[in-house]
Amino acid sequence: AQSVTQLGSHVSVSEGALVLLRCNYSSSVPPYLFWYVQYPNQGLQLLLKYTSAATLVKGINGFEAEFKKSETSFHLTKPSAHMSDAAEYFCAVSDRTGNQFYFGTGTSLTVIP
Amino acid sequence: DVKVTQSSRYLVKRTGEKVFLECVQDMDHENMFWYRQDPGLGLRLIYFSYDVKMKEKGDIPEGYSVSREKKERFSLILESASTNQTSMYLCASREPQGAPETQYFGPGTRLLVL
Repeated sequence: AQSVTQLGSHVSVSEGALVLLRCNYSSSVPPYLFWYVQYPNQGLQLLLKYTSAATLVKGINGFEAEFKKSETSFHLTKPSAHMSDAAEYFCAVSDRTGNQFYFGTGTSLTVIP
Repeated sequence: DVKVTQSSRYLVKRTGEKVFLECVQDMDHENMFWYRQDPGLGLRLIYFSYDVKMKEKGDIPEGYSVSREKKERFSLILESASTNQTSMYLCASREPQGAPETQYFGPGTRLLVL
């Protein structure tokens, strides 16, 4: 069985500060891992994905995430927060068939001017 | 770019009504999914379909059914809407087998059942 845990349902950072959103997964097989962003009243948009290539994955809008097998983590980071980063972020895991995605409960990011 | 569209952004229905939520994708994807999104619960899979006329139950199929008569269209049906089905419903479409597994999402339908 697979699952995803996102630590912190709400995170606030100052504009220009580091963004760190945490995601831990459990999976009995090597997983695929994803981060999605959801802006208000919109669907989910893929930020980045890990599919067993490089462990440091770069995504859109300056975000990146590092797959750490020993820690079963896939934390999302951005060096400098921008006001436009305010949104809800979801971590997700799937098996290799991709038929079942398991989403975390989401982290709402607030950026303070 | 993949485009996934949903028939309505906002919908208000009464308890007991039959509700149809439509989803269309334009990239010839075989796999399509319906999720509901609730605060604090994230996204939960209701049903998915891996081909025309094929469907599989997800984690919370109770109270829902689906229809996939054409490859590009995947419908979610609430046979008799109840207030606990008030939620945001998201449709997704997936790349073909052999490609990195990624789902593309529609904008969502926010359903209110009174």
